[in-house]
Amino acid sequence: DTGVSQNPRHKITKRGQNVTFRCDPISEHNRLYWYRQTLGQGPEFLTYFQNEAQLEKSRLLSDRFSAERPKGSFSTLEIQRTEQGDSAMYLCASSLQSVAKNIQYFGAGTRLSVL
Amino acid sequence: KQEVTQIPAALSVPEGENLVLNCSFTDSAIYNLQWFRQDPGKGLTSLLLIQSSQREQTSGRLNASLDKSSGRSTLYIAASQPGDSATYLCAFLPMDSSYKLIFGSGTRLLVRP
Repeated sequence: DTGVSQNPRHKITKRGQNVTFRCDPISEHNRLYWYRQTLGQGPEFLTYFQNEAQLEKSRLLSDRFSAERPKGSFSTLEIQRTEQGDSAMYLCASSLQSVAKNIQYFGAGTRLSVL
Repeated sequence: KQEVTQIPAALSVPEGENLVLNCSFTDSAIYNLQWFRQDPGKGLTSLLLIQSSQREQTSGRLNASLDKSSGRSTLYIAASQPGDSATYLCAFLPMDSSYKLIFGSGTRLLVRP
């Protein structure tokens, strides 16, 4: 078990291009989360999955954003027609749902720069 | 609105000092509260997690306390070292949406040699 893995670590793109990020959770974790963090701020929740079902989406997740978790394993976050305001760190976390604890383990993040 | 406030926003101390970072949150019905460390440009490292039923947790030179009634948590760092320099984030998991961590903006700590 190597923890939550995110790829790529850095992405530079031009405005208007599409980008896709990948997150591999800790194996056997049934919940997976996406957060976004802008400079000088704490992370903000975007969306989460329980197994393959996307159960909640923040209003921050505009229609240009789409997330998937096929087969309940890895997840992808796609941003279409990127804008400069999309520049941020995108963090993925996973957890094992339990009554006793609900601890989210975070990956190293993908830093997106939109030029 | 569920919010977390962290004070101070930035702190600079000489090596060896004991220090306290403060976190206040708006919701008394919490599942748990976590303190994270974040180095520049990096992801989050969980330092301490306090369950709703607990009052404090300790790990090495770190001690975190939780007072739900007042909506406050503190992170105490003993004998600070330059390697402690980082941003420290406080986050709580609300009972009514126990999937969404609510984060503060963090305290940027600089420990001077």
